[in-house]
Amino acid sequence: DTGVSQDPRHKITKRGQNVTFRCDPISEHNRLYWYRQTLGQGPEFLTYFQNEAQLEKSRLLSDRFSAERPKGSFSTLEIQRTEQGDSAMYLCASSPGLTNTGELFFGEGSRLTVL
Amino acid sequence: LAKTTQPISMDSYEGQEVNITCSHNNIATNDYITWYQQFPSQGPRFIIQGYKTKVTNEVASLFIPADRKSSTLSLPRVSLSDTAVYYCLVHGGATNKLIFGTGTLLAVQP
Repeated sequence: DTGVSQDPRHKITKRGQNVTFRCDPISEHNRLYWYRQTLGQGPEFLTYFQNEAQLEKSRLLSDRFSAERPKGSFSTLEIQRTEQGDSAMYLCASSPGLTNTGELFFGEGSRLTVL
Repeated sequence: LAKTTQPISMDSYEGQEVNITCSHNNIATNDYITWYQQFPSQGPRFIIQGYKTKVTNEVASLFIPADRKSSTLSLPRVSLSDTAVYYCLVHGGATNKLIFGTGTLLAVQP
């Protein structure tokens, strides 16, 4: 399968713990996006990378959230000191090229449950 | 970014044609219209994109009137497997992100 891969698919953690999600984009896709989605809502933009550079971060991304894409390939999203409000599906997407054509390729997401 | 408005939900039956209309009154000259489909517990999937008039692919058709203030996604002969949330998005060519609304939940019944 050559689609966007996310790991883990499901994560249950206790409030206050740190969690990390990994995203492997489609090979040679320059852009990588992170979104968050809660029940009944559309995906909310969190941040995006062009190669290894993080070019935009949403104000939704508090100081407890950090994302990296160290070599311009896979990316990680870390949430420190998790809160119950962080429970959501975290979606990763990638796209080729240096401009946004509107076509993003999404992974199946990582579902986080904070107890 | 232009705001979009679409129905919260729609019902249909298998074999029918479904038309989902999206309003985007503040669309800018260089904005494109893109539709995504999302099944439960999956990421959204790109369906179709257009700028004006009509675009058709193997999955759907997209109709855009001359004023471009609305667009209609047309799904021919829907089946149960077309039950999903459909998102209408408007974005410029230089936009770095896509903004999703709450979408339209299409429920197809037998």
